[in-house]
Amino acid sequence: DTAVSQTPKYLVTQMGNDKSIKCEQNLGHDTMYWYKQDSKKFLKIMFSYNNKELIINETVPNRFSPKSPDKAHLNLHINSLELGDSAVYFCASSQKGVTYEQYFGPGTRLTVT
Amino acid sequence: AQSVTQPDIHITVSEGASLELRCNYSYGATPYLFWYVQSPGQGLQLLLKYFSGDTLVQGIKGFEAEFKRSQSSFNLRKPSVHWSDAAEYFCAVGAFGNEKLTFGTGTRLTIIP
Repeated sequence: DTAVSQTPKYLVTQMGNDKSIKCEQNLGHDTMYWYKQDSKKFLKIMFSYNNKELIINETVPNRFSPKSPDKAHLNLHINSLELGDSAVYFCASSQKGVTYEQYFGPGTRLTVT
Repeated sequence: AQSVTQPDIHITVSEGASLELRCNYSYGATPYLFWYVQSPGQGLQLLLKYFSGDTLVQGIKGFEAEFKRSQSSFNLRKPSVHWSDAAEYFCAVGAFGNEKLTFGTGTRLTIIP
């Protein structure tokens, strides 16, 4: 059974478009995250939600908006896509205050042309 | 602020040889330390973690790491590498009460026959 899943796995789109990436975890965790991995493999946290509440919000353009309908889902919507948004986006989850290790999804490779 | 340094960008090792990947961290309090592995096109998989107690921790796939507070290090080791160990390895630091993990820039491991 997949623990943390993301859809789609690949996303190719043009500049200016709006797109969404979805994430679901079946680990029973209460905290979820979005990371961006650039072409140099540098991994940077973008957002984190705990029980649907935003707890980490790094310096990310307003064009990125996370949404957590429930604690098992965290979606990422990106408006007006730019070339620099091309990256691999990873979703992760953990159990707050218990284990701290994070479990990652397979990633979504976003290519903006 | 917490930070992680992985001094080696790329390491090449012969199959069957021993391996040590270096990780140095900076954090004021007692850190939580992690090693993750990322195979090509995959998400990050947790290899091992250190929270407290025994400073030598065992992980999956035959890996181990040693926490040395005096050197602010958490180096990853394996006595004999296999071709399937070729991947990108990330060290990460967190702390009690802080859901944010800070990742190093990664070390790419190449295995030669």
